[in-house]
Formats: sequence, C-alpha cells, structure tokens
Amino acid sequence: QKEVEQNSGPLSVPEGAIASLNCTYSDRGSQSFFWYRQYSGKSPELIMFIYSNGDKEDGRFTAQLNKASQYVSLLIRDSQPSDSATYLCAVMGGGSNYKLTFGKGTLLTVNP
Amino acid sequence: EAGVVQSPRYKIIEKKQPVAFWCNPISGHNTLYWYLQNLGQGPELLIRYENEEAVDDSQLPKDRFSAERLKGVDSTLKIQPAELGDSAVYLCASSPPGKGETQYFGPGTRLLVL
Repeated sequence: QKEVEQNSGPLSVPEGAIASLNCTYSDRGSQSFFWYRQYSGKSPELIMFIYSNGDKEDGRFTAQLNKASQYVSLLIRDSQPSDSATYLCAVMGGGSNYKLTFGKGTLLTVNP
Repeated sequence: EAGVVQSPRYKIIEKKQPVAFWCNPISGHNTLYWYLQNLGQGPELLIRYENEEAVDDSQLPKDRFSAERLKGVDSTLKIQPAELGDSAVYLCASSPPGKGETQYFGPGTRLLVL
C-alpha cells in the first residue's frame, strides 16, 4: 500500500512568516512529487511539482525533495492570509502511470 | 480557456437510489480522471481514461459504480444503488496528452446520501 503522510495541522503562522509544510512517502519508486492547494469547499489547484533532489523555487513557493529520506516539503515565504488553505502533497510513480496518491493534507492558517 | 466542467454541483438522494455525475474536460485533454474525496482526506483515484479507454479502474467499486467515456470527450460516473458511505465529493480532472503530471481539477460534485 503506497502511503503519503502529512501532519494534518492546523499549522498557524503570522502574516509575513515562512510556513513549512512537510510530507513523507512510502514508495521508493515514486518519481514525481506535487503540492496542491485546496481552499475550503473548492477543488485542488496545482501549485508546483518537483522531480529531482534539491530545491525548486516559484515565486514565494519553494519545494524541496530528498529521495533518500523519502521526504518532500513546501516552504511559503512572506505568508499571506490568502495562503490559508489545505495543502495536499501527492506522489506519482514512473512512466505513464499518471496515478496521483494524495496525503490527507495540512491545514494552514495565516494570521493577519 | 474553459476549465473542467462538472454537473451537478450538489446532489442529495436517498440511499438505494441511483445517481450520475457528468464531466466535460478541458478541450484537447485526452486523459480524464475521476477522484473521490472524503471529508478530511485527499482525493483517491477511481478511474482514469485515455481517450475512450479505461486504463486504470482498479480502485472503482464495480459492484455499484460504473463509468463511461464513449466518444473520448465527456464522461459520466454512475452509482447504483447509492449507500450512505458514498457521501463525498466526486472530482473530475483532465490532463493534456503526455502530460499526466499536470492535472486540472473541476469544481466537483458534492453528494449527500440520506
């Protein structure tokens, strides 16, 4: 059974701070790693994905991947109240499988 | 560009009744996915279509769930008969050819079975 684990939170940070969201996965064959944002009552929205070990930056967001430790993280710099949402970590196997396995998500609250 | 369209947005039915959900993917997206999301959980894949072919339906409870994508465009997911435990959000997603890592989700259908 492939598993993706996330701390359900809630994670509460003050406005302007760095929010750090973490995720671990069980399948060493996983090749691609994703972060989705889901506002309450809305559908998931892809923020970014990462394939290679190291960091990938996109604006205020940085994804970090460590395949040896089977660990993925998302850093949100200069957090804004509009970042308050549930953040879903997902992993995908190799090839053309295209099956996303999601974690339960971490609820982030950014306080003004 | 229009996003993934789903209908209805909300559905309330009594247990043992049938229900159907419809999805129209983004134009040009040949891969279509149906996911189930329970409260407080991440989405779980039910079925994936490549054009009109169901290439992964291993997670679809086939005793009561069925799906079709006859012309390789829009798709229908059906439950018959519905059970109380089927209350959830049913999400449809699509991705362009060869880019399954980029899945765009529709707004979902929120089902309540009484």
